[in-house]
Amino acid sequence: GAGVSQSPRYKVAKRGQDVALRCDPISGHVSLFWYQQALGQGPEFLTYFQNEAQLDKSGLPSDRFFAERPEGSVSTLKIQRTQQEDSAVYLCASSPRQTPNTGELFFGEGSRLTVL
Amino acid sequence: KNQVEQSPQSLIILEGKNCTLQCNYTVSPFSNLRWYKQDTGRGPVSLTIMTFSENTKSNGRYTATLDADTKQSSLHITASQLSDSASYICERNAGNMLTFGGGTRLMVKP
Repeated sequence: GAGVSQSPRYKVAKRGQDVALRCDPISGHVSLFWYQQALGQGPEFLTYFQNEAQLDKSGLPSDRFFAERPEGSVSTLKIQRTQQEDSAVYLCASSPRQTPNTGELFFGEGSRLTVL
Repeated sequence: KNQVEQSPQSLIILEGKNCTLQCNYTVSPFSNLRWYKQDTGRGPVSLTIMTFSENTKSNGRYTATLDADTKQSSLHITASQLSDSASYICERNAGNMLTFGGGTRLMVKP
């Protein structure tokens, strides 16, 4: 499809397990964001890429979280040694602009992570 | 403390009625302010985007207003439909800094 695609849609992990979440942005989109959304809350910023460069990772909650976008298109969010508080929906969004302050953000449907 | 506060947290209205959702932000300046609709289990979808110089913008039955002096925005939904049941999220944008509110969960009942 033409939208932002995320996989898996649902992931159940045992505490301590590593997980990897994938985001395929809209083709040609320069900016890519990762957000964490707890149940009933708004999205919380995790990290931002402009092409392959990770320009802001201030929202990553701990060093167990790592994101990459090596070729400036597909991005992967990796969570090591998952803990129960990591349970959330992880949203990916992309924008055609370098700084999405006027353009629209296009969100994927999210990856729902449940850590048991 | 979240810089974007939304109210009410949840709202139930009857089909056909109007409603207004509020968004207060504490930090300015900003580039623009956006309202999103998020259906259950889906990602947010943009409804309106307003720059700081705009007072009102409409998108069908959705009308957003912005008061830069009081740092308040509202989203008015006219003649609600069952499909309007969703979370409505306000987002303040300042360059690369995007700050989202916690959302208002709207339920429209027949």
